[in-house]
Order: sequence, then structure tokens, then C-alpha cells
Amino acid sequence: KNEVEQSPQNLTAQEGEFITINCSYSVGISALHWLQQHPGGGIVSLFMLSSGKKKHGRLIATINIQEKHSSLHITASHPRDSAVYICAGSLIIQGAQKLVFGQGTRLTINP
Amino acid sequence: DAGVIQSPRHEVTEMGQEVTLRCKPISGHDYLFWYRQTMMRGLELLIYFNNNVPIDDSGMPEDRFSAKMPNASFSTLKIQPSEPRDSAVYFCASSLGYSGANVLTFGAGSRLTVL
Repeated sequence: KNEVEQSPQNLTAQEGEFITINCSYSVGISALHWLQQHPGGGIVSLFMLSSGKKKHGRLIATINIQEKHSSLHITASHPRDSAVYICAGSLIIQGAQKLVFGQGTRLTINP
Repeated sequence: DAGVIQSPRHEVTEMGQEVTLRCKPISGHDYLFWYRQTMMRGLELLIYFNNNVPIDDSGMPEDRFSAKMPNASFSTLKIQPSEPRDSAVYFCASSLGYSGANVLTFGAGSRLTVL
């Protein structure tokens, strides 16, 4: 079983729609990263959060520690938001830190 | 700041050749990570360094892979001899402090194709 599970794997929506991508994680993960990978391949870190909620522009990330669940929301989606969104959990194993990645959600926003 | 700088951006080589990928982390960052991304397995951690010291190399697939960080501003990932199954995008990332509390900054990646 993967330690980080994302859903959906693929998501297609129309411009302007509200988008939600979900991430569930296992025990031991102390923080969640949300990453964005554009078709060109570069990876950008969007958020790192261990509690509560963070907002940056039209992007909002929330985390529920008790339920071991995080969501990434995009308001007023735009075609330029089309990318793969990856959640990654940070955990410590035998004193070494690991970043465990979800399989990614491919988001396509149509004009 | 120029960000994390990786080179080369693209490398095409023949099976059996040595490949060296390079990374310059953000100045002042004390953690450096090497990741590999493939369609089949997604992103995987290969090795990471803290203050130039390798901490965990359990993700390095086999002895053909080696990584060094001779100083705080430079790291290499070497594959010798290379095989077609090593074809992937290799990302370097750095952070100030460990990833449980700090944001990672990724390089643009090095796309390796082994024929």
C-alpha cells in the first residue's frame, strides 16, 4: 500500500471551475508538500503544510491531521493551471528523512 | 537567486557509457536531494546529503550509481556503466532545513536517454 494516495488520477474541467485534488497519507508523515509539474517538466513547490490551511493567490491547501488528509483547491481555474499536481509526505525513518510521493493528478483545464 | 541549477538538461548516450549529472543547490541550503522520475514509478528519492554528507542512499538502485557532494555548492550523480533502464528525468532539489519543515526547491531536471 502506498503511503501517499492521490485522487483523482486525471481531472478535466472547464475554465472557471473550482478544482479539488485530494491526498490521503499514512501514519508517520509529519508534513505534506504540494508540487506542480508543468508539461515542460519543471517541478515547483506550491505549499508545505503540517497543519491548518495555506493560501497563495487562487490556490488553497488544507490539511486535516486527524483524518490524515490534505486537499489542494484551485478557484477560478484557468488553462494555465493545467499541470500534474503531486502531493508528497515527509517522514523520518531510522533518523533519515524521506519524501514519499503520490502518483500525481493530471489536471487539464479547457478554455 | 538563480535557483537550483542542473546540467546537462538533456543527455543522450549509448549503453555502457558513463553519465555524470551535475547540480548546484541554492546558496545556503544545507540539504540536497537527488530524485529520479519515470513514467512507471513516478518520483523516487535516490540519495540525499546534509551539510555535504550523504545521509541516506537507500534509494540508489545499484552499484552503478554513485553520488558525491565535494562542497556545499556542487553535487554529482554518476552512472557507470549506463543501461537503457536508467533512462529517466533526474531532479536535484535543495532546502534549508529538513523537508518536514521547509519548502523544497527543484532544479529543472536532467533528461537522460540511454540507447
